[in-house]
Amino acid sequence: RKEVEQDPGPFNVPEGATVAFNCTYSNSASQSFFWYRQDCRKEPKLLMSVYSSGNEDGRFTAQLNRASQYISLHIRDSKLSDSATYLCVVIRATDSWGKLQFGAGTQVVVTP
Amino acid sequence: DAGVTQSPTHLIKTRGQHVTLRCSPISGHKSVSWYQQVLGQGPQFIFQYYEKEERGRGNFPDRFSARQFPNYSSELNVNALLLGDSALYLCASSKDRRVEGIYGYTFGSGTRLTVV
Repeated sequence: RKEVEQDPGPFNVPEGATVAFNCTYSNSASQSFFWYRQDCRKEPKLLMSVYSSGNEDGRFTAQLNRASQYISLHIRDSKLSDSATYLCVVIRATDSWGKLQFGAGTQVVVTP
Repeated sequence: DAGVTQSPTHLIKTRGQHVTLRCSPISGHKSVSWYQQVLGQGPQFIFQYYEKEERGRGNFPDRFSARQFPNYSSELNVNALLLGDSALYLCASSKDRRVEGIYGYTFGSGTRLTVV
């Protein structure tokens, strides 16, 4: 079983709609959580951190459920420019020296 | 300010050959990490170097090696290339060794290696 798992999608979303997807992690010692965005054939870029209390950054909302070991990302009022692959990143407490564990990514396609 | 720069951007090699990939971190960043991203997968950690010493290693064979130079730039070397080594190789730099300051953890645009 992979340490970080994501639904690969694609999630086809009409412009203006809301899309949500999850990421599950298997290691209960995981300490820090992030969402990255990766455009086709480009490098990953940090989208937002995920905090236990949930956090919002504009149209993006991230939540963490430690009991069930998953994090989620909600995108509301989707824009065409939101089309990308969203990578879930987990850092174990023992790896805070610098090892990011990536999921395989969830592809989102926003259509006009 | 220049970001993380990687060279070359694209590379085609034959099975069994050797390859060297290069990374220059952001000025002032002392930590460099290498990741391999195979098509359809997320990046997988290969190495971290901090202050010219290896600080972490992922689950990769000994064919993979790296080093960091006094100016904090880094090289990733892969020997005896296999078809399965075809991937996007990403370098990330950060100021410190630890990643709690992840907002300072920046990826380069990568080197796309194709092994034929």
